Amino acid sequence: GAVVSQHPSRVICKSGTSVKIECRSLDFQATTMFWYRQFPKQSLMLMATSNEGSKATYEQGVEKDKFLINHASLTLSTLTVTSAHPEDSSFYICSAIQGSYEQYFGPGTRLTVT
Amino acid sequence: GQQVMQIPQYQHVQEGEDFTTYCNSSTTLSNIQWYKQRPGGHPVFLIQLVKSGEVKKQKRLTFQFGEAKKNSSLHITATQTTDVGTYFCAGGGGAQKLVFGQGTRLTINP
Repeated sequence: GAVVSQHPSRVICKSGTSVKIECRSLDFQATTMFWYRQFPKQSLMLMATSNEGSKATYEQGVEKDKFLINHASLTLSTLTVTSAHPEDSSFYICSAIQGSYEQYFGPGTRLTVT
Repeated sequence: GQQVMQIPQYQHVQEGEDFTTYCNSSTTLSNIQWYKQRPGGHPVFLIQLVKSGEVKKQKRLTFQFGEAKKNSSLHITATQTTDVGTYFCAGGGGAQKLVFGQGTRLTINP
């Protein structure tokens, strides 16, 4: 149990365009979802905390107008990278909590901005 | 803000040797969690420690939480090739948030 999916797994987009990444909890309702960014061979950097039906809480230094988060239901959160630039290229990974403390991670989305 | 430091960054061992990674927080933690990320994969939860001085074991893995709840360690006895991956500690902050350490990448010579 406790499976989290992400779509797409890989995306290449042109500079200036927007990209939407979906994070779904497949077999449980997630009270909270988190969005992370991971650079190659580096740690996970928390970007924001997402709760269903409320505005996301962004970490310091993360532009909320650039990284739009929508948590439409207890099983779906989306991250939209607006007006993407090459420096936004990264591995974006979500996680979900089922009410406890253990975070279940999605497989991640590799974003490349050309 | 809260910082979690983890050492070493890399560790290469011969199969059968032991391995330890250490984690230190700049602030007292409510809990600490450990995750393993295989190459090309995503982090997978291993364990959570909550109590001061707590020690938990999972087969060949031993996890410790310091008395002051500011440091933790993961020790693997007699490593196997399946232990390859990056081990992350993550300190529990407010609102179920986690602050991840830099991770220790373990490689093993069979």
